[in-house]
Parts: sequence; structure tokens; C-alpha cells
Amino acid sequence: DAGVIQSPRHEVTEMGQEVTLRCKPISGHDYLFWYRQTMMRGLELLIYFNNNVPIDDSGMPEDRFSAKMPNASFSTLKIQPSEPRDSAVYFCASSFGTGSYEQYFGPGTRLTVT
Amino acid sequence: AQSVSQHNHHVILSEAASLELGCNYSYGGTVNLFWYVQYPGQHLQLLLKYFSGDPLVKGIKGFEAEFIKSKFSFNLRKPSVQWSDTAEYFCASRSGGFKTIFGAGTRLFVKA
Repeated sequence: DAGVIQSPRHEVTEMGQEVTLRCKPISGHDYLFWYRQTMMRGLELLIYFNNNVPIDDSGMPEDRFSAKMPNASFSTLKIQPSEPRDSAVYFCASSFGTGSYEQYFGPGTRLTVT
Repeated sequence: AQSVSQHNHHVILSEAASLELGCNYSYGGTVNLFWYVQYPGQHLQLLLKYFSGDPLVKGIKGFEAEFIKSKFSFNLRKPSVQWSDTAEYFCASRSGGFKTIFGAGTRLFVKA
């Protein structure tokens, strides 16, 4: 298996622009997580899905952030409009719902908003 | 609310030194505990996990962790570190549901 796939790996955009981050989980995994990593706040859980349904979005910072999972093999995290304080590395992770609960992380998207 | 605290944000060691990274969790009930590692430029990967049974858990690359329920701790140890252990280490806990809470991370730098 190729593991969790994220795109793009790097994104540089100007303040006010819309940003869309993409994630393909490991096939067969039924949980998907979006995290944000910054020096100041560490690794924060933004939202997670189970069987494509959002379960907990309490970590989403504000209405500018939205996440969707239209099917079992694809999820997006959108920021509209983007702001410089959104600059961070965004990780997607997936997991199989029974068993070890180990999360498999993707390589991350490094977002820079200027 | 559930939380995980890691005592050291930065640790610098020489090769062959022993390592212990502290981790405390807040939840008093049944808890699953994890240590993840993030090597420079790479994604997080699981080092080891504790669910139940023997409180001394052995993971990959010679790492181990000890679950001490009375102290709400799950410290990570390695008897002799190598330069290749330079990375950031995250402690995490899961208690009910599927939400996993991560600590702030500890950056380890091993001098060759």
C-alpha cells in the first residue's frame, strides 16, 4: 500500500486566497483525521471522520475552515479566505476502526500564507 | 478535558547516552497510550503503544515505555541513543471514542 497520500506537499499562497488540501487515506481504513502542526501550538486535531461522516469538528479554528469526505478514498480541507496565521503543516491520518487504533500519517502539506 | 503533557521541549544528548522523555496524561479511566516519532522531514510514525497487560512496552528501534497508572505517566526510554534517533517525539492518549490527544512534542538532538 502506498500509505496516506497528501497533495500538494507545499503550498504558498497570498492572504485572502482559497486553499484546498487533499488527502487519500489507506484503502480499507474507516477513520480519517486532519491535524495542524505549528511551533507554537504543536499538533492539533482539527476534525475526524468515520465512514465519511464528520464525528468531531471541535478543533476547527473558525468558519474559514471546512472539511469534506465525499467518499472513502478522498477528503479535502479548505481554508477560505486564508490568513498568514494559517501557515502550518497540515497532516492527514487514517486508521482502521477496530484493533490497535494506530494512526497512519501522510507526509503533510506545508502551507505558507503571505 | 483530556490532556497530555510532555515535560521537555528540547533535549540534547551525546551518542550512547541514555534517554528518558517524560509524558503525563490527565484521564483517570481506561486509556490507550502511544509514542510517535517524526524524523526530520518525515511524517509521524508509531514507536510503541500500550493498551493493557504488561506495563513495560517495547517498541521499534530499541525504545521502550513504562505505564505507571498511579503517576498517570508513560515515559519513553532508550538505554543508548544514536545520532539517527534525532527526531521529534510525541506522546498521545486515547480514552473512549476515537479522538487521540497529542502532547506538544519533544525535540531530541543527538550529537555524534
